[in-house]
Amino acid sequence: GAGVSQSPRYKVAKRGQDVALRCDPISGHVSLFWYQQALGQGPEFLTYFQNEAQLDKSGLPSDRFFAERPEGSVSTLKIQRTQQEDSAVYLCASSHSSGGAHEQFFGPGTRLTVL
Amino acid sequence: SQQGEEDPQALSIQEGENATMNCSYKTSINNLQWYRQNSGRGLVHLILIRSNEREKHSGRLRVTLDTSKKSSSLLITASRAADTASYFCATASHQTGANNLFFGTGTRLTVIP
Repeated sequence: GAGVSQSPRYKVAKRGQDVALRCDPISGHVSLFWYQQALGQGPEFLTYFQNEAQLDKSGLPSDRFFAERPEGSVSTLKIQRTQQEDSAVYLCASSHSSGGAHEQFFGPGTRLTVL
Repeated sequence: SQQGEEDPQALSIQEGENATMNCSYKTSINNLQWYRQNSGRGLVHLILIRSNEREKHSGRLRVTLDTSKKSSSLLITASRAADTASYFCATASHQTGANNLFFGTGTRLTVIP
């Protein structure tokens, strides 16, 4: 169908709350990436899936961050016990090829604000 | 931390002028990509240049790559107000198993009508 979609577009959480961010990649795309973008900065890599396998989670900043893609399509990024420093835009991207060396298609992002 | 650095951080030009943005990176790359981001939106892929290429064109865009200097430039010719956005370079590592793009800090371009 259309491009990558993400929901919610905006999320406000109180410190300590758990949040779940959803990504619907382009149908048939093998690779799915999550990035974190702080205000005024470029995106920073969090984690990578090839189909349902999470092949790289080296960018997750702490064990409070967890991502899954159980059926190789939709992915969820979960942040437990949110902290103020988690406030950022979380971007999802997908690619038809495996690995990160190819053109990535980005969703609009979820802006998370932790109060 | 981010691998790429863009220069300048911000650029303001008149409509019709050309805009040049530069990107420097640190390690060996497979390719370098340029993306555009409008305020509050996701990133849009503009152009990809492989490590064995030196120049590439797409419409009003011209990208150069100098692997010896670990730098790239993006030229937008005959700029339009609609080109106003942030522009990011992103590198794909040459390392086996590298799975992500490393983004720079971006250049915020403003084109004044």
